Amino acid sequence: AQTVTQSQPEMSVQEAETVTLSCTYDTSENNYYLFWYKQPPSRQMILVIRQEAYKQQNATENRFSVNFQKAAKSFSLKISDSQLGDTAMYFCAFMKLPYSGAGSYQLTFGKGTKLSVIP
Amino acid sequence: DGGITQSPKYLFRKEGQNVTLSCEQNLNHDAMYWYRQDPGQGLRLIYYSQIVNDFQKGDIAEGYSVSREKKESFPLTVTSAQKNPTAFYLCASRTSGRSYNEQFFGPGTRLTVL
Repeated sequence: AQTVTQSQPEMSVQEAETVTLSCTYDTSENNYYLFWYKQPPSRQMILVIRQEAYKQQNATENRFSVNFQKAAKSFSLKISDSQLGDTAMYFCAFMKLPYSGAGSYQLTFGKGTKLSVIP
Repeated sequence: DGGITQSPKYLFRKEGQNVTLSCEQNLNHDAMYWYRQDPGQGLRLIYYSQIVNDFQKGDIAEGYSVSREKKESFPLTVTSAQKNPTAFYLCASRTSGRSYNEQFFGPGTRLTVL
């Protein structure tokens, strides 16, 4: 079974500054995806960024980037130029890819990091 | 607009009653999922369905039941056997195939047992 650990229950950052959220995971699988989801106060889950394990290049989406260290099983999220709208819970999630194509593709989530952006 | 709808947004239930949460999607996705979220916890998988008329238990299926009679719909019933049903419930869907594996989430239903 896979586990995902987010060691920072809460963090805060000044507006326009940079913040990094940590995530580690434990798996014996070699073929998987990793995700960061954002859950603002509205509680709508929004995909922030996705990383395929077979890709060495770190994923980037505008102000959001990841540092994917496969050997260390680490997947941190960096938010640059933080904005007030970034205030939310952030969840790291793991998805195992089945070898045969038939599988659940379920997401295993960490417990989340509550990020507050301070004006 | 394509998306996932969940209803109702808030639901109150007396102990001992069954209640059904609705989830509908018009994204033409094959797979659908139900997750439960508790305070200070991540999301945990209750049930999932890869195709119509088929569904599988997730990690915390006890006290829940589902059906998948239509591709668009995946209702979740919280039965009286569920000991701690008060939680936030999220429905998600995913397109099939290995090349693209994002799960899209609905807005959620907050269930409170009185």
